[in-house]
Amino acid sequence: DQQVKQNSPSLSVQEGRISILNCDYTNSMFDYFLWYKKYPAEGPTFLISISSIKDKNEDGRFTVFLNKSAKHLSLHIVPSQPGDSAVYFCAASAYIGNEKLTFGTGTRLTIIP
Amino acid sequence: GAVVSQHPSRVICKSGTSVKIECRSLDFQATTMFWYRQFPKQSLMLMATSNEGSKATYEQGVEKDKFLINHASLTLSTLTVTSAHPEDSSFYICSASKGGSATQYFGPGTRLLVL
Repeated sequence: DQQVKQNSPSLSVQEGRISILNCDYTNSMFDYFLWYKKYPAEGPTFLISISSIKDKNEDGRFTVFLNKSAKHLSLHIVPSQPGDSAVYFCAASAYIGNEKLTFGTGTRLTIIP
Repeated sequence: GAVVSQHPSRVICKSGTSVKIECRSLDFQATTMFWYRQFPKQSLMLMATSNEGSKATYEQGVEKDKFLINHASLTLSTLTVTSAHPEDSSFYICSASKGGSATQYFGPGTRLLVL
């Protein structure tokens, strides 16, 4: 049972444009969400997070939006840069302080110069 | 910062031998550390959660006698793959979290190849 889903395995975006990565979840107990970026043969790098009391969190070029009613979150990267090419994982936690994360299957983002 | 290191980064061993992987939080105390395994083109699979000074909690289907985890201090956890077999070949990644936060910071991973 995949509780966190990233339905797009890959995405290509022109450099300078906006990249939008999507993530859906099924467990209504999830209340903390994170995005990680991963290069091949490396560990994931934490990008940004959001708690369920918010619907938006912004950090530089990265913005995460949360729609609790739809159980959907998205990561916006603008403007997209070649160094953003990587696999992006969304992850969710059942409550803050319970540190176990459930990961999505990942979306491979390719930025086209 | 929140830096996590892993050692070794790559290891090749013969079938039947044991391999130890170290995970260290370099600039913070990690109340909890996690061990993941990633198969090619798949997501991260949580193997176990370890808290300093207590026994690790293993996920369903993970053999605790096969994958020994020790969390001796707030900055060090080790994973020992005992009697390794070729099917244990994989990419092993650890992560660590600070107290009260669900954000995990990952190490660079260890590529294990069992011949």
